[in-house]
Amino acid sequence: AQKVTQAQTEISVVEKEDVTLDCVYETRDTTYYLFWYKQPPSGELVFLIRRNSFDEQNEISGRYSWNFQKSTSSFNFTITASQVVDSAVYFCALSDYSNFGNEKLTFGTGTRLTIIP
Amino acid sequence: DVKVTQSSRYLVKRTGEKVFLECVQDMDHENMFWYRQDPGLGLRLIYFSYDVKMKEKGDIPEGYSVSREKKERFSLILESASTNQTSMYLCASSYTGTGFVTEAFFGQGTRLTVV
Repeated sequence: AQKVTQAQTEISVVEKEDVTLDCVYETRDTTYYLFWYKQPPSGELVFLIRRNSFDEQNEISGRYSWNFQKSTSSFNFTITASQVVDSAVYFCALSDYSNFGNEKLTFGTGTRLTIIP
Repeated sequence: DVKVTQSSRYLVKRTGEKVFLECVQDMDHENMFWYRQDPGLGLRLIYFSYDVKMKEKGDIPEGYSVSREKKERFSLILESASTNQTSMYLCASSYTGTGFVTEAFFGQGTRLTVV
């Protein structure tokens, strides 16, 4: 069985601070994919990143960066120099090999991030 | 851009009513999903479909059914709405990757209130 844990329910930071959202996952498979999605107040989940289990390189996209560590089963997301527009609920998700072909995702419970102006 | 459209943003229904939530995608995706989102529980999969007329139960199918008569449309049916089905419902679609898992594209959600 697969599981995703986002222990941080809510985080508030002042604008321009850096913030890291934690994601810990469980799976028995050696082949799996991890995702991050953003859900702004409008409600629609927006895809941010996909990472496969064989690629442990960290990724940076503008102010966003992701740290994937298989040794600790974590896939953490950092926002640098946060902005008010970053306020949203962020979800981490996992799809393991048993779901290849039907693309099922298991989601964490989400972290609500509030950026204070 | 991929577009997933849910027929309603907000719905209010009475207990016992039969409720239809409609979802349409415009990118010829094979896979379609229905999730419900509740505070503290994240997104939970209700049903999914990987082809026309095909459906599989997700983690919480009780009280729901689905229909996929056309590739672009996936309907969620609440046979007899109950107050514990008050929730945000999210539809998603994705294509089937060859040897990799693709990202899902989501609709804007339907907030259903059952009174």
